[in-house]
Amino acid sequence: DVKVTQSSRYLVKRTGEKVFLECVQDMDHENMFWYRQDPGLGLRLIYFSYDVKMKEKGDIPEGYSVSREKKERFSLILESASTNQTSMYLCASRSGQSEAFFGQGTRLTVV
Amino acid sequence: QKEVEQNSGPLSVPEGAIASLNCTYSDRGSQSFFWYRQYSGKSPELIMSIYSNGDKEDGRFTAQLNKASQYVSLLIRDSQPSDSATYLCAVLHNDYKLSFGAGTTVTVRA
Repeated sequence: DVKVTQSSRYLVKRTGEKVFLECVQDMDHENMFWYRQDPGLGLRLIYFSYDVKMKEKGDIPEGYSVSREKKERFSLILESASTNQTSMYLCASRSGQSEAFFGQGTRLTVV
Repeated sequence: QKEVEQNSGPLSVPEGAIASLNCTYSDRGSQSFFWYRQYSGKSPELIMSIYSNGDKEDGRFTAQLNKASQYVSLLIRDSQPSDSATYLCAVLHNDYKLSFGAGTTVTVRA
């Protein structure tokens, strides 16, 4: 069974904190993605990676950074969390022309 | 212009009817197209993928692709209450970037 695992299901952080969201996939996929999902806005792409140590900005990268030191792990970093980063964060992975597989999501609340 | 746009919805259909969902995309070079279903509080799951012009059928679902018009659609035949969900159109650009539309929420009335 394919698996994408996000480190936390729910997270509450304080404004200004540095936040790490971790994602691990066991399918040897080259491509990994971080999205955020807000009501009425669908999935918006924050960053994606097509290889180890390679990263590309998505549509809304401001306030975020990423790290991909190993093929199976893709981390999203909020350098200084703000309340407007309260959202559902979804990690996904894929390979070739195939579909993306999603993790279970992390609901982050910044207070 | 957004990379992927879907008809805004919400869409309400009676049980047994056909639900029709539409999606347009801006990158003419896009090659791979996907429809995902997302239940409330859950992650998206793949329903259909389509790569070439024409229709692709899988059970009660039919995906249609027209690359010249940059248009992809999803038909749900014999809609069931269990089809009530948000449907997301996704388009793969430049072999790597996977972009999604805002989604269309479908409600099937029993």
